[in-house]
Amino acid sequence: AQKVTQAQTEISVVEKEDVTLDCVYETRDTTYYLFWYKQPPSGELVFLIRRNSFDEQNEISGRYSWNFQKSTSSFNFTITASQVVDSAVYFCALSEASTGNQFYFGTGTSLTVIP
Amino acid sequence: GAGVSQSPRYKVAKRGQDVALRCDPISGHVSLFWYQQALGQGPEFLTYFQNEAQLDKSGLPSDRFFAERPEGSVSTLKIQRTQQEDSAVYLCASSLGGALGYGYTFGSGTRLTVV
Repeated sequence: AQKVTQAQTEISVVEKEDVTLDCVYETRDTTYYLFWYKQPPSGELVFLIRRNSFDEQNEISGRYSWNFQKSTSSFNFTITASQVVDSAVYFCALSEASTGNQFYFGTGTSLTVIP
Repeated sequence: GAGVSQSPRYKVAKRGQDVALRCDPISGHVSLFWYQQALGQGPEFLTYFQNEAQLDKSGLPSDRFFAERPEGSVSTLKIQRTQQEDSAVYLCASSLGGALGYGYTFGSGTRLTVV
């Protein structure tokens, strides 16, 4: 079973629009971490945020914000006033205390921001 | 180094050929991970090293895959008798500690194409 689900395969928005990328996870652990990574066309995965299971505070970093809701097992990512440079594939990932060091990645959401 | 360096950037191998992929982690990072990313998919865990010790190789898809990190820094992922299904991007990542609670720093990957 997929531990991380990103139901949106591709999203296109016009520049300056807001966009939300959805992530739903599944785990039986009480201690776990959630991550978002950005993968631009160059291929490397760029770390965006880490959130532990005990901290449900939402976080804002510039135009980026994250909404963590344990009740719905979701960790959604919103980009405000999108820019062309935001075009990339975005991955949500989970690491669990019980399975040690491996990350479970979703299948990614490809975001295209149209100028 | 400033980042995780992987070489070669691209590799084309004939089916049946052996290949070796190199990863130079960030200096001082004790943890090193290999992931395989098929086209249009999220990365999937292959193996994990802490210093020179390979602590988890549960993700290696077959005994044709072998990884080593003999001196606790540079790592090599070797694939013997390559097959077409091995075609993917192989990503290396390093971390100061274990993955749980830490973000990885990823390299740009090696794109392997088996023809």
